[in-house]
Amino acid sequence: NAGVTQTPKFQVLKTGQSMTLQCAQDMNHNSMYWYRQDPGMGLRLIYYSASEGTTDKGEVPNGYNVSRLNKREFSLRLESAAPSQTSVYFCASSRGVSYNSPLHFGNGTRLTVT
Amino acid sequence: QKEVEQNSGPLSVPEGAIASLNCTYSDRGSQSFFWYRQYSGKSPELIMSIYSNGDKEDGRFTAQLNKASQYVSLLIRDSQPSDSATYLCAVNSGANNLFFGTGTRLTVIP
Repeated sequence: NAGVTQTPKFQVLKTGQSMTLQCAQDMNHNSMYWYRQDPGMGLRLIYYSASEGTTDKGEVPNGYNVSRLNKREFSLRLESAAPSQTSVYFCASSRGVSYNSPLHFGNGTRLTVT
Repeated sequence: QKEVEQNSGPLSVPEGAIASLNCTYSDRGSQSFFWYRQYSGKSPELIMSIYSNGDKEDGRFTAQLNKASQYVSLLIRDSQPSDSATYLCAVNSGANNLFFGTGTRLTVIP
């Protein structure tokens, strides 16, 4: 039982390049999330998908797009990377969006944009 | 004002002591509260959740919630060096409004 799997683990991009971060969960969870974590800023929500077929913006969506491919998979795309997007990205999932559903996190992607 | 405030630390306690981690939040309508532990370079993992006022115990961990004071805390009894990590407080103020604090770094000294 892998839980939440993210790929890649590390990535270096040049400014203006694009890339997609992949995330898959095998816990049959309905909701999936993308967070970024920066020193001193804590975890901030980029986008979430409450259920298959829906996506919504979080706190810091600018510069990102997402796709909920199916119930298991939720990808995050950077169309034109900027140095400000250097961060650690975490995908997470939960049973649902109700307030008593804790998040389960993937291992993270460390992204550097030069 | 930040939604969730934590003292960033570092908090140092000797092995065997009680570590006390605190968190305040701004939204009085918050419904659920979580403590996550994050080891350096790793992802956050859930260690406690609490939804009603009072104490909730799980092994060496006790979460305490006081909604009137908008305060949630985590006590770690008999602290071990393996407890050294950053502890994140998370507060849910409604569907998908889960706000994280910046975390408190705990060091347990052998």
